[in-house]
Amino acid sequence: AQSVTQLDSQVPVFEEAPVELRCNYSSSVSVYLFWYVQYPNQGLQLLLKYLSGSTLVKGINGFEAEFNKSQTSFHLRKPSVHISDTAEYFCAVTYNTNAGKSTFGDGTTLTVKP
Amino acid sequence: DTGVSQDPRHKITKRGQNVTFRCDPISEHNRLYWYRQTLGQGPEFLTYFQNEAQLEKSRLLSDRFSAERPKGSFSTLEIQRTEQGDSAMYLCASSLGVGAKEPQHFGDGTRLSIL
Repeated sequence: AQSVTQLDSQVPVFEEAPVELRCNYSSSVSVYLFWYVQYPNQGLQLLLKYLSGSTLVKGINGFEAEFNKSQTSFHLRKPSVHISDTAEYFCAVTYNTNAGKSTFGDGTTLTVKP
Repeated sequence: DTGVSQDPRHKITKRGQNVTFRCDPISEHNRLYWYRQTLGQGPEFLTYFQNEAQLEKSRLLSDRFSAERPKGSFSTLEIQRTEQGDSAMYLCASSLGVGAKEPQHFGDGTRLSIL
C-alpha cells in the first residue's frame, strides 16, 4: 500500500532558528513529491515539488527540500524561520501510475515561538 | 487565476439530513479532486474527475456519497443520510493536465459538522 509518514507530529522552534520537517514514503514505482502548507481554516498551498532532476528543490517562503531516493525521504528545511511560518505542513506523494491522486502524510504542526 | 472556490464554507446539520457541497475549480483545469480531512490527519482521497468523467472512487466513498461534474466545470458532492462520522473538512482541488506531475490547487474547504 502507498503511504507517507511524517515523522514528527509537532515541531516547536524559536524564531530565526533552522528547522527540518521529515517525510518518508513507500515506493515501488516512480513518484512525484510535494510539500503543502495549511493555515487555520484554509486549504493547502503548494510550497514546492520534486518531479525529476536535481534532488534539491527550492520553494516559496525560503523553504527547500531534498529528495533522497535510497532512503525514500523528502525532508523539508528552512534555515531561519519566522513567526508567520507557524502552520500545518503536509508531505504528499503522487505515484506515476495513478494519474494524479495524491497520498498525504498526517501533517506536522510547526510552531515558531518568539 | 481566481483560485478554487468552495461553497458553503461551513455546514451544520442534523444527523440523517442530506447535504450538498459545491466546488468551482480554476477555469482551465480539467481535473477535479475531492478529499476529506479529519482533525489531526492529512487529506484522504475520495474521488476525481477528468473533465466530466469520474475516473476513480475511493473505498471511503460509501453509497451515501455521490459526486458529479456536469459539463466538466463545477462539481457537487452530496452526502445522504449524514452520520456523525461524516463530520470533517471536505476539500476540493483542481489541476491541469493528464499526468501525475501537476500539483493540485486547493480550495479553502467546506467544514461539515453533524449534530
